[in-house]
Amino acid sequence: NAGVTQTPKFQVLKTGQSMTLQCAQDMNHNSMYWYRQDPGMGLRLIYYSASEGTTDKGEVPNGYNVSRLNKREFSLRLESAAPSQTSVYFCASSPQVRREKLFFGSGTQLSVL
Amino acid sequence: KQEVTQIPAALSVPEGENLVLNCSFTDSAIYNLQWFRQDPGKGLTSLLLIQSSQREQTSGRLNASLDKSSGRSTLYIAASQPGDSATYLCAGGGNTGTASKLTFGTGTRLQVTL
Repeated sequence: NAGVTQTPKFQVLKTGQSMTLQCAQDMNHNSMYWYRQDPGMGLRLIYYSASEGTTDKGEVPNGYNVSRLNKREFSLRLESAAPSQTSVYFCASSPQVRREKLFFGSGTQLSVL
Repeated sequence: KQEVTQIPAALSVPEGENLVLNCSFTDSAIYNLQWFRQDPGKGLTSLLLIQSSQREQTSGRLNASLDKSSGRSTLYIAASQPGDSATYLCAGGGNTGTASKLTFGTGTRLQVTL
């Protein structure tokens, strides 16, 4: 019953450092997403993957890249971290892109100093 | 552009009370509407999903309604319990978009007191 697993749970970076957030789901879902959550702003979509082999930009893609490694895994990379990227990052998945409930991971709290 | 608003930002009620959480959206061409629960330091759990062709969904003590014409959705919680304490978020799916284009409100933080 793992669902959506994100690693790491916490991370502190210095400005300019790079890192990759990992996400894996074991529900055989087609679609996967990356969101960020900031106080007072709600969750905002960074990138999504409607199916294996495809990725698309969301609302706030600048400064990020993604890779849909296979059907299970969807990673988010920060090439040169900035303080504005301090946030809580959530990975989510759904059986298909439309009409379905989203299942979320427990989040990664990232601080960029 | 879809905007989703949840008022109030915080709510405290005594145990056993029935309560209603409100969600309003600006674009009535909404594809679906989801209600989520978020516990501190945790991810979101989907509670109810209402498709645009539906008016309400029920799960246990929870009932969610959708009124596209007025741009409103409500989440009704019956006989509230301390375990219901959490932040509740609503999210609207755009009609030309997908579940990936959900627009989230900022949530209502609910505290149910003994």
